Amino acid sequence: DGGITQSPKYLFRKEGQNVTLSCEQNLNHDAMYWYRQDPGQGLRLIYYSQIVNDFQKGDIAEGYSVSREKKESFPLTVTSAQKNPTAFYLCASSITGTDTQYFGPGTRLTVL
Amino acid sequence: EDQVTQSPEALRLQEGESSSLNCSYTVSGLRGLFWYRQDPGKGPEFLFTLYSAGEEKEKERLKATLTKKESFLHITAPKPEDSATYLCAATNAGNNRKLIWGLGTSLAVNP
Repeated sequence: DGGITQSPKYLFRKEGQNVTLSCEQNLNHDAMYWYRQDPGQGLRLIYYSQIVNDFQKGDIAEGYSVSREKKESFPLTVTSAQKNPTAFYLCASSITGTDTQYFGPGTRLTVL
Repeated sequence: EDQVTQSPEALRLQEGESSSLNCSYTVSGLRGLFWYRQDPGKGPEFLFTLYSAGEEKEKERLKATLTKKESFLHITAPKPEDSATYLCAATNAGNNRKLIWGLGTSLAVNP
C-alpha cells in the first residue's frame, strides 16, 4: 500500500538534546512538508521541499533543520535551539503541480 | 493578509441531526479550498478539494460546497463515527503552494 510513514509515534527528549523525526513516502510524490500542530493553533509549516536536494523555510523554521537526499525521505531534526519543541509533528507530501497534501500519522514529541 | 476562519469551534449533534460547518476565507486569488478530517492523535485525512465557486463534491454523508467567500461542509444524518475535527485550508494565486489553515471545527455526534 502506498502511503506516508512517520516514526517513531511517540518520542521523548531531554532538554538540550537534538532529535530526528523520520518521514518516508512511497507515493512517488515530489514535494514534502513538515508541520507542527499545537492545541488551539492551526497547522504551522516548518519546512518544505519541492525537489530532491532543495528545501525552503516555512513560517516557523527557527530551531529546526531538514535534509532531502532522496525523493522518498524528508527527515526533520529538532535542535536544542528550539525553545518549545513539545508538539505533534506532521509530515505531508504532494504531487508537484497540485496543492493537495496527504499526511502521515504524526509523531508526538515530548521534551522532559 | 490571507486568512481562513472556521465556525463554529465546536459542534455537538445527535445522531441523524444534519448540520453544516463553515469555512470563510479571505485569500488573494483562491486557487483551491481543501477539507480534511482529523481524528485525535492522527494525521489529517484528505476529504475534498474545491476550485471554483459553485462547485460541489460529495462523499458518503459529506458534501462540500464553495462560494466566492466561503465553503460549507454539510453533514447529512451524521453517525457517531463522523465525530472528528474537520479542518479547512486554502491556497492562493502565488507560486509557493503553501496551505493556509483554519483552526478546525470539533464535531461530536452522540448516539
